[in-house]
Amino acid sequence: DVKVTQSSRYLVKRTGEKVFLECVQDMDHENMFWYRQDPGLGLRLIYFSYDVKMKEKGDIPEGYSVSREKKERFSLILESASTNQTSMYLCASSLPGQGSPYEQYFGPGTRLTVT
Amino acid sequence: AQRVTQPEKLLSVFKGAPVELKCNYSYSGSPELFWYVQYSRQRLQLLLRHISRESIKGFTADLNKGETSFHLKKPFAQEEDSAMYYCALRSNRDDKIIFGKGTRLHILP
Repeated sequence: DVKVTQSSRYLVKRTGEKVFLECVQDMDHENMFWYRQDPGLGLRLIYFSYDVKMKEKGDIPEGYSVSREKKERFSLILESASTNQTSMYLCASSLPGQGSPYEQYFGPGTRLTVT
Repeated sequence: AQRVTQPEKLLSVFKGAPVELKCNYSYSGSPELFWYVQYSRQRLQLLLRHISRESIKGFTADLNKGETSFHLKKPFAQEEDSAMYYCALRSNRDDKIIFGKGTRLHILP
């Protein structure tokens, strides 16, 4: 079974702090994703990485950055946390889509509260 | 523009009644569509994909290209079907998935 793990289930940070959210997958997937999940807004893509050291902006990258130094690990960084970044953050991974049934596998989520 | 629309935020259905969760999409080309589900305190997971034409946990979804719809259906709702359901579309340019805003399904006893 694919396993995607996230470093924390719950996190409370203060406004202005630098925040690191870590995601690790154990299935050698090329693609990794960071979403935020908000009631009434669904899942919105923050950043996407299709290979080590490669990254692409998603729909809402402002205020976030990412790091992918190793294939299995994808980190989301909030440079200076703000209250509007209070949310549930979901990490996902997948194989490249060509030639196979496509599926993204999700982690359990990190609920971040910024006070 | 590629877009997924789920018109209902909340759907309440009595146990044993039929369920239909609506999904419409906007896409140029041949779409690849999915339903994802998130049960309480569990991670988001794939329920079914249209290319597999499968039935999972009694749910089916048929792609209607004329109406650009991919509604999720189940003939007889069960209490364990209560969850958040997301319709999703795979981008034609890369491996990104575009999610709808979700419908919370509440099965009434």
